[in-house]
Amino acid sequence: QVQLVQSGAEVKKPGASVKVSCKASGYTFTGYFLHWVRQAPGQGLEWMGRINPDSGNTKYAQKFQGRVTMTRDTSINTAYMDLTRLTSDDTVIYYCAREKSGATYAFDIWGQGTMVTVSS
Amino acid sequence: QSALTQPPSASGSPGQSVTISCTGTSSDVGNYDSVSWYRQLPGKAPKLMVYEVSERPSGVPDRFSGSQSGNTASLTVSGLQAEDEAAYYCSAYAGSNNWVFGGGTKLTVL
Repeated sequence: QVQLVQSGAEVKKPGASVKVSCKASGYTFTGYFLHWVRQAPGQGLEWMGRINPDSGNTKYAQKFQGRVTMTRDTSINTAYMDLTRLTSDDTVIYYCAREKSGATYAFDIWGQGTMVTVSS
Repeated sequence: QSALTQPPSASGSPGQSVTISCTGTSSDVGNYDSVSWYRQLPGKAPKLMVYEVSERPSGVPDRFSGSQSGNTASLTVSGLQAEDEAAYYCSAYAGSNNWVFGGGTKLTVL
């Protein structure tokens, strides 16, 4: 079935970086944009950016410009989100989400989420 | 982009209807037919319930309906059931390949 499976929880020190992976299966990986969305515990959703898995082109939310890098490896149908200079504010759940086809601007498949904890 | 505005909470009794609003601006909600709605159960990933303002993905009951007037979109849940108790988020395309979410609404079934 169509699914996105993310890497496991991470614990990082302030100032470190984290790289979260998102492996796609059940559909053509290069045929759909892949977005990253994050959510602080008990809080709302926040869009971080998206990658075109076919071209590798990216667009990042202004808030994360300079700190986030989204990449992909088409040989293993996996997308990555790398966030640097971590602070306690980055202690959140990170989701990858597939953009529904047809320029619908919606996210139809979500990963299970990856909890990143930033603590000294 | 600023987050879309949703009421923090909503409630209704089983069988009733409840409507959740999502207010943006003419740059996002009011500029594209792009509003989508997601349901999130505790500890779970969001699930798409409505897209393009009023379209339902296959498998989503027709008790869920969406609408929009100007810069405000709405999600109506009819025939409330206990399983509808969850957090609901709206999202909209904000142009220039940017997206924005609402702050979320916790729906309680009384």
